Amino acid sequence: ETGVTQTPRHLVMGMTNKKSLKCEQHLGHNAMYWYKQSAKKPLELMFVYSLEERVENNSVPSRFSPECPNSSHLFLHLHTLQPEDSALYLCASSQAAGGNNEQFFGPGTRLTVL
Amino acid sequence: GDSVTQMEGPVTLSEEAFLTINCTYTATGYPSLFWYVQYPGEGLQLLLKATKADDKGSNKGFEATYRKETTSFHLEKGSVQVSDSAVYFCALSDPVSSGSARQLTFGSGTQLTVLP
Repeated sequence: ETGVTQTPRHLVMGMTNKKSLKCEQHLGHNAMYWYKQSAKKPLELMFVYSLEERVENNSVPSRFSPECPNSSHLFLHLHTLQPEDSALYLCASSQAAGGNNEQFFGPGTRLTVL
Repeated sequence: GDSVTQMEGPVTLSEEAFLTINCTYTATGYPSLFWYVQYPGEGLQLLLKATKADDKGSNKGFEATYRKETTSFHLEKGSVQVSDSAVYFCALSDPVSSGSARQLTFGSGTQLTVLP
C-alpha cells in the first residue's frame, strides 16, 4: 500500500450504532488530520494530531472521538451520530515541522447516518 | 486570521477552452500556496504548489503563479479536457498562524464541468 488509505470506503449506520473509521499513512509523516466534507459546505477541519499529540480540536461534538495510537494510524470513533453527520470524512497526513505542510489525502469514507 | 477566497462556481466550459479559476488570500506570514483537485467520489489530490513569491507551480498542463503584490494564486490551463471535470480547491499554509497545528486553510472549492 502506498500513500494514505482509509477504511471502510462506505459506511451506513443507525443513530445508536458505534463504528470506527480507520486511516493509515505509508509516507513517513508525523502529523495526521480528520476533515469533514458535507455537500455545499466548505471543508471542515475536525482534528489534528502532531507527533501523536492532539493539537487541534475544532469544537467537534463529543460523539466524534479521535485516536492516534502511532504516527501511521488514525481512528475516528463514532457513537450516537445524527443524520446531519452524514458526509465524506477525509484523512490527511503531512510532516509536522519544516517544509511547506503539503498534505496528502486519503480517498475518504462516505458515511450515511440513518 | 488567514483566509482563501475562490471564484464561485460552477464553471462550465467546452473542451479545449481556456480556464482561469481565481484565488486570492490573506495571511499573517509568508504562506505556501496549493491547488488541490477532487475528482468525483475521491479524496483531494495535490495538483500544484508554490512556496514563495513569483514561484510558478505547474502540473498536467495547469499553472499558477504566486503573486505577493496582489495576494493571488490563480489557476490556469490553456486547453481543458473532459477529464478535467472536478472540484478545485485553493489552499494556503501559514507557518506563522498555524503553529504546531500545521493547518491548511481551504477555499470553498470551484466545480468545473468540461463538455465534449
